[in-house]
This record gives sequence, structure tokens and C-alpha cells, in this order.
Amino acid sequence: KNEVEQSPQNLTAQEGEFITINCSYSVGISALHWLQQHPGGGIVSLFMLSSGKKKHGRLIATINIQEKHSSLHITASHPRDSAVYICAVKGPGYKLSFGAGTTVTVRA
Amino acid sequence: SAVISQKPSRDICQRGTSLTIQCQVDSQVTMMFWYRQQPGQSLTLIATANQGSEATYESGFVIDKFPISRPNLTFSTLTVSNMSPEDSSIYLCSVETDEAFFGQGTRLTVV
Repeated sequence: KNEVEQSPQNLTAQEGEFITINCSYSVGISALHWLQQHPGGGIVSLFMLSSGKKKHGRLIATINIQEKHSSLHITASHPRDSAVYICAVKGPGYKLSFGAGTTVTVRA
Repeated sequence: SAVISQKPSRDICQRGTSLTIQCQVDSQVTMMFWYRQQPGQSLTLIATANQGSEATYESGFVIDKFPISRPNLTFSTLTVSNMSPEDSSIYLCSVETDEAFFGQGTRLTVV
């Protein structure tokens, strides 16, 4: 069983809709990352969280350490938000463990 | 923060040949990470590269197949040796400072 579970695996939304992606993990962590990967393959870091909530533009990320759960929200979604969103956690040690990713498609 | 320049961005290679991927970071970092992303899969750590010492390889990856160089604190290379079609993947380098930063990825196709 993967240490990091993401849901849903795929998500299709209409432009303007609110999107939520969930991430659950099974180990104690020091940090959780939300990453965005576009079709070309490059990966961009969206957030690093160790507690609470962060907001950047239309993106909001929350984490509940006690429940070992994080969510990534996209408000007023746009076709340019179409990408794969990946949750990664840093547990004991220095390595990251990655979720399988959520493929988001936003239709105009 | 960190900016990573990775090249080549893509290549098509003949089986049996080798390809060297380069990553240049705009700041000094202790550890650099090399990942493989097979089609439809998430990232798998190949090895961790430290300057001045041998890379640390993950289970299932060996130095003969994926030799790594780390000549200084801003540069690293990963070679994919004696390639087969199963090596077709995206290869990414990464560093961590305040966040995780990734190169643009190398999309490798072996024919």
C-alpha cells in the first residue's frame, strides 16, 4: 500500500467550478508538498505545508496533521489549470514519497 | 528558491546506447535527487547525489545502469546506460531548499 493516497484519480470540471483534490498519508511527516505537472513533463512546486493553510491566487492548500490529510482547492477553475497535481510527503529521513497524481481537466 | 536547468528536454535513442542528462542549479545545494517517471506513473527516486561522495541508489537501481556524477554543489549528471525500450520515461532532477524544485524533465524514448 502506498504511503500517500490521492483522490480522485481523474477529475473533469467546467470552467469556473470549484475543485478539490485530497491527499491522505500514513506516516508521520515533517512537510507536505503540492506539485503541478503539465503535459510537457516539468513539475512546479505549488505549496509546502507543515501545518494550517496557505493561499496563492486561486489555489488554497490545507493540512490536518492529526488526521494525516491535506486538500488542494482550485477556485474559479480555468482551462489553464488542466494538469496533473501531485501530493508528496517528507516522512522520516530526507526522501519524498509521492502520490499517484490527480489528472485535472477543465473544459471551457 | 532555486532554478534548475535540465537538458536535453527530450531525446530519441537507439537501444544499446547511452544518454547523459545534465542538471545545473543556480545555487549551491547539498543533495540533488534523480527521479524516473514511467508512463502513467508517479515519480520514483533513482538516487541521491552528494558532492564529493558516491551517489546513494534506491532499491532496484544500480550504478552500472545509472551512473551519476556530482562534481560540485551546483551540477550533476545522470547517465542512462545500455538503454532498452523499458527505459523510456521522463527523468527529472530535483533539489530541496525551502520548497521542492524540479528540472524541466527529460523525455526519453528508446527505439
